[in-house]
Amino acid sequence: QITLKESGPTLVKPTQTLTLTCTFSGFSLSTSGVGVGWIRQPPGKALEWLALIYWDDDKRYSPSLKSRLTITKDTSKNQVVLTMTNMDPVDTATYYCAHRPVMSRDSSGYYSYYFDYWGQGTLVTVSS
Amino acid sequence: SSELTQDPAVSVALGQTVRITCQGDSLRSYYASWYQQKPGQAPVLVIYGKNNRPSGIPDRFSGSSSGNTASLTITGAQAEDEADYYCNSRDSSGVVFGGGTKLTVL
Repeated sequence: QITLKESGPTLVKPTQTLTLTCTFSGFSLSTSGVGVGWIRQPPGKALEWLALIYWDDDKRYSPSLKSRLTITKDTSKNQVVLTMTNMDPVDTATYYCAHRPVMSRDSSGYYSYYFDYWGQGTLVTVSS
Repeated sequence: SSELTQDPAVSVALGQTVRITCQGDSLRSYYASWYQQKPGQAPVLVIYGKNNRPSGIPDRFSGSSSGNTASLTITGAQAEDEADYYCNSRDSSGVVFGGGTKLTVL
């Protein structure tokens, strides 16, 4: 059974750096094709993808936030860490981590790409 | 960067069929996945791939795709289906989510 859980501060001050940890079980991030992503959701707004790290340490970032984000993994601890610098009140959101299984391609040439397991999320408020 | 466009809100009468759509260039190469999100809860995957349902998702949920448009269809909508629905795919930068559709069951 795959589970993920986010942890980190609930309140950060503007300009501070946010560090969030995703601790997971039920899979290994050393398995070929597997990834873990971070997605956030401001109150009352849509989901926004932030970053993704793959089993081979390949990393992808949202173009609009790339300069502020760093994603790393510790395979031995089953953890993925996201840091976001220069926090602002607009970054107030619930932050989720999610498991991305091996991407597959069917006979028509289409790829399947999805997040099948999500953490419960952690609300981070940015305020002085 | 790519975008996925969804209608902000859709309504359906109880027991009727509703289609929620998602448009984007990335959908010409990637199937959309669909997530249901109820207030205060994390998103739940309901459709992935060509038309696959995770274990526990009712078979009234189905997915389809044509060109740059993906659709989530709920056949015989139930009161518990009232929720926000998000589509998701990959693009050249990494990952993209639609803006979400709020489904109201009347």
